[in-house]
Amino acid sequence: DGGITQSPKYLFRKEGQNVTLSCEQNLNHDAMYWYRQDPGQGLRLIYYSQIVNDFQKGDIAEGYSVSREKKESFPLTVTSAQKNPTAFYLCASSRREGLNWQFFGPGTRLTVL
Amino acid sequence: QKEVEQDPGPLSVPEGAIVSLNCTYSNSAFQYFMWYRQYSRKGPELLMYTYSSGNKEDGRFTAQVDKSSKYISLFIRDSQPSDSATYLCAMKADNYGQNFVFGPGTRLSVLP
Repeated sequence: DGGITQSPKYLFRKEGQNVTLSCEQNLNHDAMYWYRQDPGQGLRLIYYSQIVNDFQKGDIAEGYSVSREKKESFPLTVTSAQKNPTAFYLCASSRREGLNWQFFGPGTRLTVL
Repeated sequence: QKEVEQDPGPLSVPEGAIVSLNCTYSNSAFQYFMWYRQYSRKGPELLMYTYSSGNKEDGRFTAQVDKSSKYISLFIRDSQPSDSATYLCAMKADNYGQNFVFGPGTRLSVLP
């Protein structure tokens, strides 16, 4: 069954800690994305990657970091520099060309205590 | 002005009603339009994908694009309680770009 998995589903972090959110896909997609979703706002792009070992900042990259060492994996680290990290985080993937709508994972809810 | 606008709702309708969900946008370069459905605390799932202007139908769902008015719509016929969700529109300018722009979503409740 092809799809995207994110873990954990819920994550609690103390202020000052870095945390890493996992995203894995088996759809053989080249492009992967991280979005943040807050109530009443659209999805805001944090980072995206079109190919292994390459990634680009999105609209709200400050306080976040990513890596893309494997095609299937695109982990997101929320650092202590992120001022307001409590949010719902969504990972997505797509083909790089052709009809390339995004497939989304189930999301990770991060709460800072 | 936001690039993509959507009435946040909530929109409540009785079961069996026809639902109309809409987005307006400001960037005339957008050519590819998507509608996603998102259940509470879940990831969005693609409902419809359309290119340029016109209509596209899939079961109870019809997507309309009017590029001259910069307006897109999603119609749901014979709405069911299981259609209760948030509906997000998304769009982008070119086929190879990764710059998807999302609306904030409209929350729909279909009452039995």
